[in-house]
Amino acid sequence: GQNIDQPTEMTATEGAIVQINCTYQTSGFNGLFWYQQHAGEAPTFLSYNVLDGLEEKGRFSSFLSRSKGYSYLLLKELQMKDSASYLCAVINSNYQLIWGAGTKLIIKP
Amino acid sequence: SAVISQKPSRDICQRGTSLTIQCQVDSQVTMMFWYRQQPGQSLTLIATANQGSEATYESGFVIDKFPISRPNLTFSTLTVSNMSPEDSSIYLCSVTQLAEIYNEQFFGPGTRLTVL
Repeated sequence: GQNIDQPTEMTATEGAIVQINCTYQTSGFNGLFWYQQHAGEAPTFLSYNVLDGLEEKGRFSSFLSRSKGYSYLLLKELQMKDSASYLCAVINSNYQLIWGAGTKLIIKP
Repeated sequence: SAVISQKPSRDICQRGTSLTIQCQVDSQVTMMFWYRQQPGQSLTLIATANQGSEATYESGFVIDKFPISRPNLTFSTLTVSNMSPEDSSIYLCSVTQLAEIYNEQFFGPGTRLTVL
């Protein structure tokens, strides 16, 4: 089968750094997305990784290791508005997009 | 980017009835998708809406239950037929502006459906 694993929930403090991990087992790999979804809202695009390494975009960075089937999303200088679910999604060899269940991130003051 | 609207935003329906959800995009897009998302769960792709031809359904979803139309490059509908309480979910429309799946998807605000 195909599987995307993310922690269900994480808690962090405003101003701190948090790393959200995603591991995947899919039939092939053609890229990995991170999306942010605030409660009751639609997902919005954060990042796309297809090559190994770190992609930095402002306070958010995304890392990929294809050999390990692993990615993480790093959020720096956390703000209260970062409280949301973070969805990891992988494109497999059939160009299907497989979604993880998401990690609910709670930011405390 | 693309701005997407969905109608209705929410509805409460009786078992055995059908509901049609509309998805309107402010620009022409290549690919349109319909998803289902239950609380705390991942997005599940129902089908890809193809302009001018039948939709492509994912495993577990069939045209009789979820008929889809896409008459042009900016509009699509999803019908949830003969509804049961198990169909209660949020239904999301999404689009990509280019033909490849590895492009950013833009999502509509969703339709929250409750079936009694």
